[in-house]
Amino acid sequence: DAKTTQPPSMDCAEGRAANLPCNHSTISGNEYVYWYRQIHSQGPQYIIHGLKNNETNEMASLIITEDRKSSTLILPHATLRDTAVYYCIVRVLTALDSNYQLIWGAGTKLIIKP
Amino acid sequence: DAGITQSPRHKVTETGTPVTLRCHQTENHRYMYWYRQDPGHGLRLIHYSYGVKDTDKGEVSDGYSVSRSKTEDFLLTLESATSSQTSVYFCAIRPGTGGDTGELFFGEGSRLTVL
Repeated sequence: DAKTTQPPSMDCAEGRAANLPCNHSTISGNEYVYWYRQIHSQGPQYIIHGLKNNETNEMASLIITEDRKSSTLILPHATLRDTAVYYCIVRVLTALDSNYQLIWGAGTKLIIKP
Repeated sequence: DAGITQSPRHKVTETGTPVTLRCHQTENHRYMYWYRQDPGHGLRLIHYSYGVKDTDKGEVSDGYSVSRSKTEDFLLTLESATSSQTSVYFCAIRPGTGGDTGELFFGEGSRLTVL
């Protein structure tokens, strides 16, 4: 079962910041939050991840609340090419060989409007 | 380009026939994964591999088997395809070595239709 909850869809105007929320109230202390996006029917693309500190890279920023029960992905200047389904994912360790599993939810369909 | 090739990209088959999907990587990464994606859903893990001949089940493994006889190839087999296995299948890889952030690199997907 998915460990995250996201709104099914959102709109954002081109050039504005897109803020995508995610709830993960049952997350454990050693579980990371990952964000991926999927443009049309292509393979998913990694965006960013974090544990408890805020993170920023060339694509986006990730803000994680202090209690770690929710997070927000921020695309600072959305373009039409950012239209995609965005997945907030919890990474859990498996018992075997310190492998990871990504537990995916249904994602948020973000539509950037001109 | 993460050096991942899935084949075939599209396949239509009939119920009861065997199907094998191939994932090939050029990066020599340790971990390989097979996911399925159904309309309106995120990805669900079928099987994964953490080395040659080392595989384990994911959350939706029933009806599927895998093999990894070489580092670069990870095969997903449906022994007797059913209509419920109509889906888009994604292969993913992860380095599993120093500097590994846990990021997965995905292939372009294989669309399977079982009639």
